[in-house]
Amino acid sequence: KNEVEQSPQNLTAQEGEFITINCSYSVGISALHWLQQHPGGGIVSLFMLSSGKKKHGRLIATINIQEKHSSLHITASHPRDSAVYICAVAGGTSYGKLTFGQGTILTVHP
Amino acid sequence: NAGVTQTPKFRILKIGQSMTLQCTQDMNHNYMYWYRQDPGMGLKLIYYSVGAGITDKGEVPNGYNVSRSTTEDFPLRLELAAPSQTSVYFCASSYVRGYQETQYFGPGTRLLVL
Repeated sequence: KNEVEQSPQNLTAQEGEFITINCSYSVGISALHWLQQHPGGGIVSLFMLSSGKKKHGRLIATINIQEKHSSLHITASHPRDSAVYICAVAGGTSYGKLTFGQGTILTVHP
Repeated sequence: NAGVTQTPKFRILKIGQSMTLQCTQDMNHNYMYWYRQDPGMGLKLIYYSVGAGITDKGEVPNGYNVSRSTTEDFPLRLELAAPSQTSVYFCASSYVRGYQETQYFGPGTRLLVL
């Protein structure tokens, strides 16, 4: 069973700061997902990646397969970025069976 | 497209009652999933389906049943509700064709068992 650890568990930032959330996993994967859960509870997929780096607006996700580690970066953070960020991995050929981290609670103050 | 829809949004059950959580997707996705999210805990997979007529257990299947008679619908059945099943339930779907694609989540069903 793949273990997924996220750090930090809680993160508070001032508007405009650069934010990094980390995710480590224990065994080989086919893909890693970053999800965002809004304060109202809805879950949105931000990125799915199996190698390298992806960018969408102010969000950047990177993965290092050899080190079994991924990072989610938010540049120029804004209060609307306040949410829970969740890392999840799909192992081997089990494409749909995701194992989730516990999430990182991000609060951005104006 | 409506995406993934779930009903009801909120329900209170008494111990021992049964209910069905409904999930429908209109994106013609082959894979569908049921997750539960307990307070302060990560999402856990209950059941999933790779296509109509095919279902399989996830990490925490006990106390639940599913069926997938059509591509669009994937209902989750609780037969004898227990307080341990108090949780938020999310349905999701994705299209998998040799590699994983993005999962789309429904808005969730909040269930309280008293």
